[in-house]
Parts: sequence; C-alpha cells; structure tokens
Amino acid sequence: AQKITQTQPGMFVQEKEAVTLDCTYDTSDQSYGLFWYKQPSSGEMIFLIYQGSYDEQNATEGRYSLNFQKARKSANLVISASQLGDSAMYFCAMREPQSNFNKFYFGSGTKLNVKP
Amino acid sequence: GAGVSQSPSNKVTEKGKDVELRCDPISGHTALYWYRQRLGQGLEFLIYFQGNSAPDKSGLPSDRFSAERTGESVSTLTIQRTQQEDSAVYLCASSSPLGGIGYEQYFGPGTRLTVT
Repeated sequence: AQKITQTQPGMFVQEKEAVTLDCTYDTSDQSYGLFWYKQPSSGEMIFLIYQGSYDEQNATEGRYSLNFQKARKSANLVISASQLGDSAMYFCAMREPQSNFNKFYFGSGTKLNVKP
Repeated sequence: GAGVSQSPSNKVTEKGKDVELRCDPISGHTALYWYRQRLGQGLEFLIYFQGNSAPDKSGLPSDRFSAERTGESVSTLTIQRTQQEDSAVYLCASSSPLGGIGYEQYFGPGTRLTVT
C-alpha cells in the first residue's frame, strides 16, 4: 500500500484565492510526522510546514496551514491568498520512526498553477 | 551555515560509463538520504544512511547502483554501466534525528544526470 497518496496531479487556482492540496497517509505507528515541501521549477525542495501526530492544533506557517484529520489520516495543505510565486510542485511526506532510524515517504506530488 | 551541497550540478555521460555523484550534508546531520526524480515525477527513495551504515537500501533499482558514506559526512552514489533510463535528477537530503520527529530533511540542489 502507498504510504502517502496525493490524488491531485494538477490544480489551478485564481490569484488571491485559497487552495487545498490533498494528502492521505497510511501508518500503524502512533508517533509520526507529516511534512509539506514545495518544489518550484528551479528544482530546489523547500520545506513549508510540519505537523506531529500528537499535535492537537493544526500547524500554521504564514499563508500555509495544515488541515490535520487524524482519524481520516489526512493532512491537507491549505494555501491562503495564493500568489503567482506559489506555482510549483507540492509534495506531502511522512516521517515514520523505525526503532532508532527515521524514514521519509513522499507522495507523487501536486502541480499547482496560480492564474493571474 | 552551509546547506547540503551536491556535485556535479550537471553530468552528461555516455551509455555504459560509470558515474559518481557526491553529497555533502549539513555538518552534524547523521541521517542522509538519496532520492531520484525523473522529469515531472515525484521523489523515488534510493537509500538511507544513519551514520556510515545503510539500514535501508531497499530503493536501489539494481545492482548497478551503490552508495557509501564515510566519516558520517560525505556520501557518494555510484551508478555503473549507466543506461538511458538512469537519466534523472538525483537529490540528496540530510536530517538530524536528534532533533526529534519534527526535524525536517534539508535538500541539496540535486545533480542532473543525462545519459546519452
């Protein structure tokens, strides 16, 4: 089974509107971390936001927030007030500790296009 | 401080030749990851190092791929007898498990490998 599933290969959003990028995950661990990364066309991977499995409140970082629904195993990224510079690939990832080791799993990504 | 660096940034090689890709992680980061990203695709996990040992080599596509890490620092990914399907961007990331589960991966700029 896929550990991280991103079902939206591509999304369009109008500038200044909000957009939600979907992510579901699969784990039997109680302790895990969820991450979102942005990859612009330049190719660099930029860390955006983190949510811990025990965090009771949704994480927020500026215009980014993570809609964490633990029972549904979903960790959707919400970008408010979209900007043209938000056009990029977005990857959801999960960190799953395995004894003393830490493995990351990445989804297949969502390509976001912000229209002027 | 310095981030993750990778060299070369671009490599063009002929089919059948061997190539070595280098990654210098952030100083003090004990965990190091290699990923492959084909054009327009997501991240494909290759191998993970904890210190100098590789507890997870499950992602290496074939026995033509190998990796090593020395001094809990530099890592080299070697591809022998390159094939055209090896053409991709190879990304390296480092992380510090000591920072707890919320410690994200820091990515290098990648090496773009083109096999002709």
